[in-house]
Amino acid sequence: EDQVTQSPEALRLQEGESSSLNCSYTVSGLRGLFWYRQDPGKGPEFLFTLYSAGEEKEKERLKATLTKKESFLHITAPKPEDSATYLCAVRPRRDDKIIFGKGTRLHILP
Amino acid sequence: GAVVSQHPSWVICKSGTSVKIECRSLDFQATTMFWYRQFPKQSLMLMATSNEGSKATYEQGVEKDKFLINHASLTLSTLTVTSAHPEDSSFYICSARPQGGITEAFFGQGTRLTVV
Repeated sequence: EDQVTQSPEALRLQEGESSSLNCSYTVSGLRGLFWYRQDPGKGPEFLFTLYSAGEEKEKERLKATLTKKESFLHITAPKPEDSATYLCAVRPRRDDKIIFGKGTRLHILP
Repeated sequence: GAVVSQHPSWVICKSGTSVKIECRSLDFQATTMFWYRQFPKQSLMLMATSNEGSKATYEQGVEKDKFLINHASLTLSTLTVTSAHPEDSSFYICSARPQGGITEAFFGQGTRLTVV
């Protein structure tokens, strides 16, 4: 069964304190792995797509990496405005669907 | 680019009435659109997948007669919640995947439905 597990469920960091969010996945053939950011009461905002192990993508303070079993979202020197829920999702090769993890609620303290 | 507009942002309706939510891709054509439901502090629960011109594929446990989905064009999908009840109150979000081999999907801003 295709599955996405994110950890930790919640993370509180001081401003400037770098950390990583984990996304472990099992999928029967990966077409793509996605990271989204969701603010309260809003729809998810697309961040990255990763397609194959070894791939990395960066956007401002965020960097996403991918292995055959997991992905990491590294956040460097975060600011309070980076506080949000970060969602990881996968698209199996054989399917139209995108399967989401439960997310990591990130709170950056000023 | 890749903007998805969902309307309305919020709606309050009386129990027993029907509510329609629209999802439009503004700057691309979408072969596939998805409808999700989200409860507070929970992740997205996929309700159905719709392809333009075809019947929607519903996830297990989702009542197709209650949640009517129409994907009439490459830029518009609608979700109608029929005979709404308070337990249907939730945050509904659509997403759309562009044509042309794009893998990711882009989300609307969501609709907060409250049934009183």
